[in-house]
Amino acid sequence: DQQVKQNSPSLSVQEGRISILNCDYTNSMFDYFLWYKKYPAEGPTFLISISSIKDKNEDGRFTVFLNKSAKHLSLHIVPSQPGDSAVYFCAASGAGYNFNKFYFGSGTKLNVKP
Amino acid sequence: EAGVVQSPRYKIIEKKQPVAFWCNPISGHNTLYWYRQNLGQGPELLIRYENEEAVDDSQLPKDRFSAERLKGVDSTLKIQPAELGDSAVYLCASTTRGQGVTGELFFGEGSRLTVL
Repeated sequence: DQQVKQNSPSLSVQEGRISILNCDYTNSMFDYFLWYKKYPAEGPTFLISISSIKDKNEDGRFTVFLNKSAKHLSLHIVPSQPGDSAVYFCAASGAGYNFNKFYFGSGTKLNVKP
Repeated sequence: EAGVVQSPRYKIIEKKQPVAFWCNPISGHNTLYWYRQNLGQGPELLIRYENEEAVDDSQLPKDRFSAERLKGVDSTLKIQPAELGDSAVYLCASTTRGQGVTGELFFGEGSRLTVL
């Protein structure tokens, strides 16, 4: 059972515009969410995270929004740059002993066109 | 600070052969993970260690996969015998509970396995 879903395998955006990547989850026990960025032939690198006690977290050009009632989070990149072209994974973890257990979505490949 | 180190980066073997992957986590990180990533998919957990104890290995195909983390530092993941469906990237990651509340995983570059 896939508890974290990214339903858009790819997204193409013009440089300078906003990129919006979406992620849905099914487990209401998840309380910590992360976004990772992956370039080809490299491991995923941490981008930004959000705790379930917040609905927004911002870091420079990257903002993550969390809608707990809809079990949905999104990553906004403004403005998008060609160097942002990569695969983006969202991940979630739960509370308690399993707070170090992370579930990943299948990824969205972002292409930012110059 | 050195990152998570994995080796080998690439491995090509014939089916039924054994293969082993090695991971050295970030110093001080007590939690270590092995993930498998198939093409076009996200990482899937194989096994998670807290220090030297395997606390979650429910997704590890135990008939052919084995892992160990001696002394709670380095870890080795072994496949014997390998099957065609084992072709994937094997990712090692680490984190530490003492790292504030961020709790992010730090990944190595991965070991890409091709089984012919």
